[in-house]
Amino acid sequence: GENVEQHPSTLSVQEGDSAVIKCTYSDSASNYFPWYKQELGKGPQLIIDIRSNVGEKKDQRIAVTLNKTAKHFSLHITETQPEDSAVYFCAANAGKSTFGDGTTLTVKP
Amino acid sequence: SAVISQKPSRDICQRGTSLTIQCQVDSQVTMMFWYRQQPGQSLTLIATANQGSEATYESGFVIDKFPISRPNLTFSTLTVSNMSPEDSSIYLCSAGQATGNTGELFFGEGSRLTVL
Repeated sequence: GENVEQHPSTLSVQEGDSAVIKCTYSDSASNYFPWYKQELGKGPQLIIDIRSNVGEKKDQRIAVTLNKTAKHFSLHITETQPEDSAVYFCAANAGKSTFGDGTTLTVKP
Repeated sequence: SAVISQKPSRDICQRGTSLTIQCQVDSQVTMMFWYRQQPGQSLTLIATANQGSEATYESGFVIDKFPISRPNLTFSTLTVSNMSPEDSSIYLCSAGQATGNTGELFFGEGSRLTVL
């Protein structure tokens, strides 16, 4: 089955800096790659996604890149704000979602 | 989009008992799923809830332990049977419109179970 590895497990940045989270996947049949943000006590919420026919997608301060050949995709957050502090999960879909282990992002004011 | 309501939001249960978690979606959805999330850990898919038929379980999860119902397109239940402390976890209901789970998933806020 699909295996998703996510790094780093924790990330601390100063407000205004950029944050990058990376994921690799194993199943070449995966064709949908969402990123979810989970705040304390809440369920995960989709923040951006990318499909296998696209290399990059951007939505304001958030961007995702996909390298199908290398089987990795990354989340980029620019101009980080304290409210970006949360746990972020990547996922890869080849018929069902397999999630990474999560990255705890802390943005220090 | 879809708004998902789960109840109970949390409960403390005794070993050997069973608890049923309810999940209500505010619109008709194609797909409904149940996940388990240990505190501070990732999400593990328990099963896909199929309308009007038996759920599809992932490896390591069985119907006798986690019976699931989905009587219509907006409602599902997950029962955790004969609970042990190892079942202490957050159980998340999710829903999506795309078949094959290749689209956005919407999640409830989870049901936090503690088994004593």
